[in-house]
Amino acid sequence: NAGVTQTPKFQVLKTGQSMTLQCAQDMNHNSMYWYRQDPGMGLRLIYYSASEGTTDKGEVPNGYNVSRLNKREFSLRLESAAPSQTSVYFCATRTTVFSYEQYFGPGTRLTVT
Amino acid sequence: AQSVAQPEDQVNVAEGNPLTVKCTYSVSGNPYLFWYVQYPNRGLQFLLKYITGDNLVKGSYGFEAEFNKSQTSFHLKKPSALVSDSALYFCAVRDSDNFNKFYFGSGTKLNVKP
Repeated sequence: NAGVTQTPKFQVLKTGQSMTLQCAQDMNHNSMYWYRQDPGMGLRLIYYSASEGTTDKGEVPNGYNVSRLNKREFSLRLESAAPSQTSVYFCATRTTVFSYEQYFGPGTRLTVT
Repeated sequence: AQSVAQPEDQVNVAEGNPLTVKCTYSVSGNPYLFWYVQYPNRGLQFLLKYITGDNLVKGSYGFEAEFNKSQTSFHLKKPSALVSDSALYFCAVRDSDNFNKFYFGSGTKLNVKP
């Protein structure tokens, strides 16, 4: 039972390159989230998927796209990376409407040069 | 707009002493509040939540939090700090209009010294 897994753990990109961050969960949770963590700013929601087949924007969606491939997987894509997207990215899941705590993956540390 | 504020970037406490990590919130309607802990190079872990009921909520690792509606606060407390409690602590609130969205504070680094 791995919980929430994220790949890769680390990545360095050059400005303008693209990449996809992968998130998978084996907890059968309905909702999945992508956050970015920046020093002094806490976590900010990029996109979320309340259930399989739906995705919605969070606080900071610009420059990102997401895909909820199935119930287990939720990917985050950077089409043209910018230095401002240097951050630590966390995927999280949540089980049902009546259970509000989230379960987080270990994070992906992304540097854009 | 909903938000939480953590006014202290860092809290220093000696092992064995009580600790408090502060959080204030701004939300319309009844607040759903959370505390998470992050150890170095790890994801966040859920500690406790306030949904309704008793104002003192007990959570994991001996932590508790006190909900105060009049002061719009939800401070995290522990009677006796351990060195192993040293970590980054985040307060969070659920969006009262969209139950799928959550807002996190900027985090407070807790340093417990032997």
